[in-house]
Amino acid sequence: DAGVTQSPTHLIKTRGQHVTLRCSPISGHKSVSWYQQVLGQGPQFIFQYYEKEERGRGNFPDRFSARQFPNYSSELNVNALLLGDSALYLCASSFSAGGGYGYTFGSGTRLTVV
Amino acid sequence: QQQVKQSPQSLIVQKGGISIINCAYENTAFDYFPWYQQFPGKGPALLIAIRPDVSEKKEGRFTISFNKSAKQFSLHIMDSQPGDSATYFCAASMSNQAGTALIFGKGTTLSVSS
Repeated sequence: DAGVTQSPTHLIKTRGQHVTLRCSPISGHKSVSWYQQVLGQGPQFIFQYYEKEERGRGNFPDRFSARQFPNYSSELNVNALLLGDSALYLCASSFSAGGGYGYTFGSGTRLTVV
Repeated sequence: QQQVKQSPQSLIVQKGGISIINCAYENTAFDYFPWYQQFPGKGPALLIAIRPDVSEKKEGRFTISFNKSAKQFSLHIMDSQPGDSATYFCAASMSNQAGTALIFGKGTTLSVSS
């Protein structure tokens, strides 16, 4: 079985630009959560989507948005990129909507903002 | 109250030794306490998890000890091997509440010397 797939694996963007990151969950998983991991820190919660609806949002500015599609894949969008947005962005999928339970993480997208 | 405090920040252990990582939490509503292992360039992988109604859980060389009254839990890695060298994160969540975050500690970098 394929695990959680994220694309792209790496990308470099310029300050002020927009970026879209993509995530395909494990087959049968209906929940997708997004986390930001700054170098040397633990992951921080950005969003959770379950059955195509936003179920939770972390303490991130409105420049961050996400959506989930009918096939349960998800996109994370970040507008007006800042240098501080440079991080590893992780997607986690799970079967249920319960907080953190049964998460499987992808390998992440490494975003560098220059 | 949402923080999970993890120590030490880094740990060097001889091959065959015991590695111990400690975590503390404040929010008594947390009911799910997983440990994740992360290798460079990869996403976190679930290692072992515990619920607060259990004081200890063992899976192979990995053991979680849980002290509900002290609001502390720890990971013990017995017979540590060079392949265990990675970053370890403790985490906590309210698993029965949709949309809530998995709260991570800041991580412990473990180096097992041969």
